[in-house]
Amino acid sequence: DTEVTQTPKHLVMGMTNKKSLKCEQHMGHRAMYWYKQKAKKPPELMFVYSYEKLSINESVPSRFSPECPNSSLLNLHLHALQPEDSALYLCASSQDPTNSPLHFGNGTRLTVT
Amino acid sequence: AQKVTQAQTEISVVEKEDVTLDCVYETRDTTYYLFWYKQPPSGELVFLIRRNSFDEQNEISGRYSWNFQKSTSSFNFTITASQVVDSAVYFCALSEGRSQGNLIFGKGTKLSVKP
Repeated sequence: DTEVTQTPKHLVMGMTNKKSLKCEQHMGHRAMYWYKQKAKKPPELMFVYSYEKLSINESVPSRFSPECPNSSLLNLHLHALQPEDSALYLCASSQDPTNSPLHFGNGTRLTVT
Repeated sequence: AQKVTQAQTEISVVEKEDVTLDCVYETRDTTYYLFWYKQPPSGELVFLIRRNSFDEQNEISGRYSWNFQKSTSSFNFTITASQVVDSAVYFCALSEGRSQGNLIFGKGTKLSVKP
């Protein structure tokens, strides 16, 4: 079982909905990440939180809004998404943000209708 | 610019065969890290190994082994006596010394091991 837990596993939402993806880890890691993975493609980095502060935003559209309430939790708030945003959203954590191995969750498979 | 190339898109083998997954990288940094991840159909990315640019020793872990050669900028992964449970997509990834967990992934190699 993965030590990074993501909920929900699947999400279907309309373009006018507001939803949130949640990620939790209890390994004491101080860096957390959101990646997006389209079908048959490699994961692409969206955001990095380092010691609970947003340190990297890879030019992600504002309809994706990350939040890190504490060192164990990471949320991704979704609003007014487009069908092309349908993908697997992977959360990861690492001991620190300097090239420690990333530990990934199982992901949330998002479908935007 | 940094780049990771996995030229093999799909490989199919029969159980117990050995198989090597190729990975070639490009970077201008002298300090960098290389990774292999496994992604089974369930979706989770499973960390397999990390190597830093100063450590060219090959590594063996059970049926898995890795061959890191800076001279050819390659970090190849061999599975010995493959099993059906090895079926997955395998990603090679690179991160540079100053990066913050920004993994540059190759496109992945889908390995199918048939009984």
